[in-house]
Amino acid sequence: AQSVTQPDIHITVSEGASLELRCNYSYGATPYLFWYVQSPGQGLQLLLKYFSGDTLVQGIKGFEAEFKRSQSSFNLRKPSVHWSDAAEYFCAVGDRDDKIIFGKGTRLHILP
Amino acid sequence: GAGVSQSPRYKVAKRGQDVALRCDPISGHVSLFWYQQALGQGPEFLTYFQNEAQLDKSGLPSDRFFAERPEGSVSTLKIQRTQQEDSAVYLCASSLGRVGNEKLFFGSGTQLSVL
Repeated sequence: AQSVTQPDIHITVSEGASLELRCNYSYGATPYLFWYVQSPGQGLQLLLKYFSGDTLVQGIKGFEAEFKRSQSSFNLRKPSVHWSDAAEYFCAVGDRDDKIIFGKGTRLHILP
Repeated sequence: GAGVSQSPRYKVAKRGQDVALRCDPISGHVSLFWYQQALGQGPEFLTYFQNEAQLDKSGLPSDRFFAERPEGSVSTLKIQRTQQEDSAVYLCASSLGRVGNEKLFFGSGTQLSVL
């Protein structure tokens, strides 16, 4: 069965600084990988997804993520964060014919 | 509507009471999922449907939890004899096609508090 680990419960960065949120997955084959964001009082929103092909995927709001099979990782990055990026970020893994499993999340705090 | 709609938005139940949570997916979406999100945690998978067929219910915590989607659109998650540990936000999501290769559209959730 697939599983997802997000090692960092909280991350704090200064506005304008770069960001990297870590995600490690466990899955027997090539997984489908996702990053979702949950802002206070709002539903989960898809940032980006990886199915196949180019291992560097671009998402909305200036986010990108890189799939590294050798490290079983799918880390989320942004070159310069904005105060509005403060939210909870969830990595998820799925399969073509199976459910999508979410990690426990990383809460991002932005310092002015 | 344009998005996934869940009702009620908030539900307070006394321990032992039965509750029913409703999810209206986006029209035409084949797959529907229920997740449970405890405070400070990620969404935990409960069950999912493709049309009216419940393909996986491995995440349902106990036989007090039951979900249905009889006509392949609206779904109801029922919890019998609620317990305090059932307090959480229950999220519904839908997707246009099959599970793994589709974006999930989430509702705002139903926050259940069991007293």
